[in-house]
Amino acid sequence: KAGVTQTPRYLIKTRGQQVTLSCSPISGHRSVSWYQQTPGQGLQFLFEYFSETQRNKGNFPGRFSGRQFSNSRSEMNVSTLELGDSALYLCASSLRDGSGEQYFGPGTRLTVT
Amino acid sequence: QKEVEQNSGPLSVPEGAIASLNCTYSDRGSQSFFWYRQYSGKSPELIMFIYSNGDKEDGRFTAQLNKASQYVSLLIRDSQPSDSATYLCAVKGLTGGGNKLTFGTGTQLKVEL
Repeated sequence: KAGVTQTPRYLIKTRGQQVTLSCSPISGHRSVSWYQQTPGQGLQFLFEYFSETQRNKGNFPGRFSGRQFSNSRSEMNVSTLELGDSALYLCASSLRDGSGEQYFGPGTRLTVT
Repeated sequence: QKEVEQNSGPLSVPEGAIASLNCTYSDRGSQSFFWYRQYSGKSPELIMFIYSNGDKEDGRFTAQLNKASQYVSLLIRDSQPSDSATYLCAVKGLTGGGNKLTFGTGTQLKVEL
């Protein structure tokens, strides 16, 4: 069974621009979570989607948003990029609702210049 | 106090030895506990999860949970150089439902020849 896929894998953007990242979960997984990983802060939860509804949201500004489609694929968007948004953005999917058991994709490395 | 705490390391052990990685958490209502392994430049990989007090063994790995002490550990027996990685402890709490995980900052393990 194919794992979680994320596109693009690498991205370079300029301050003030916006970016959209995509995630396809493991087949059959309906829960998709997004995390930001930086050397200083580690892995931080952004938000979680289940059946096209945002179920949890982390402590990030409103510039960070996401959505989930009926096929469970998810996108996250960051508007008005700041230098501090440079990070590895990880998507994780889960089969069992509420279990916490999540499987990560390879991530999208975003660099903001 | 951080929600999930780990010693950042590095923890150096000789090949063939037992590596012991520790994690404490602050939310007494936490339900599920996970260990992820992350190689440099890669995404986290789920290696163990534990829900109940006691030990859970899987091959060379043993997860130990003590909810009264709010303590989780991971033992790696017969450590190999390929085990050299950062090990992330993650906790699923009660609040918010869903699959949201809170991660520690990770312990770097180095297995020396």
